[in-house]
Amino acid sequence: DADVTQTPRNRITKTGKRIMLECSQTKGHDRMYWYRQDPGLGLRLIYYSFDVKDINKGEISDGYSVSRQAQAKFSLSLESAIPNQTALYFCATSDRGQGRSYEQYFGPGTRLTVT
Amino acid sequence: AQTVTQSQPEMSVQEAETVTLSCTYDTSENNYYLFWYKQPPSRQMILVIRQEAYKQQNATENRFSVNFQKAAKSFSLKISDSQLGDTAMYFCAFMGNNAGNMLTFGGGTRLMVKP
Repeated sequence: DADVTQTPRNRITKTGKRIMLECSQTKGHDRMYWYRQDPGLGLRLIYYSFDVKDINKGEISDGYSVSRQAQAKFSLSLESAIPNQTALYFCATSDRGQGRSYEQYFGPGTRLTVT
Repeated sequence: AQTVTQSQPEMSVQEAETVTLSCTYDTSENNYYLFWYKQPPSRQMILVIRQEAYKQQNATENRFSVNFQKAAKSFSLKISDSQLGDTAMYFCAFMGNNAGNMLTFGGGTRLMVKP
């Protein structure tokens, strides 16, 4: 089974709808991240969380909100979706500490289309 | 803020040949980490290779190696003996010596390996 899972994998929604993207991990990591990928721009950080009670805005948080329901779960919400939020969304996790623990582990991505 | 630049949006290489992907970055930090991620058509983000800035020796992972030039803030990826399975988007990423293990990505290079 995958260590980092995302649901749904693909979603088409209409402008103005509320949508939630979910991420779960079995790696036991404290840190979780949400990124969006756009052509030519790479991945950009939306929100990140160091633990259940520590949530921080990233580079492009406007229009998004998050919830860290448990150590293993981190959800991203679009309260009122708009077409320029059409993108590929990734969840990632990492452990704190030194050495190889700096690596981030990515989920499979969610392709979101807002019409 | 750090920036990462990949100046080659697309590249192609013949199977079994060698190709080099370029990456430059801007930072005022002295200790940091650099990464190359591969994204095949499956969308999965796969870590290819990492480099710690305090290490002078260039990292190597099988057919993949880097040329890390700290003074020039350059971090190129060399793929030797290219294989069809190397066809993918490649992202260069920077992680500063901060508390969050957050990544800053370049815009990506699309590599096509031709038979």
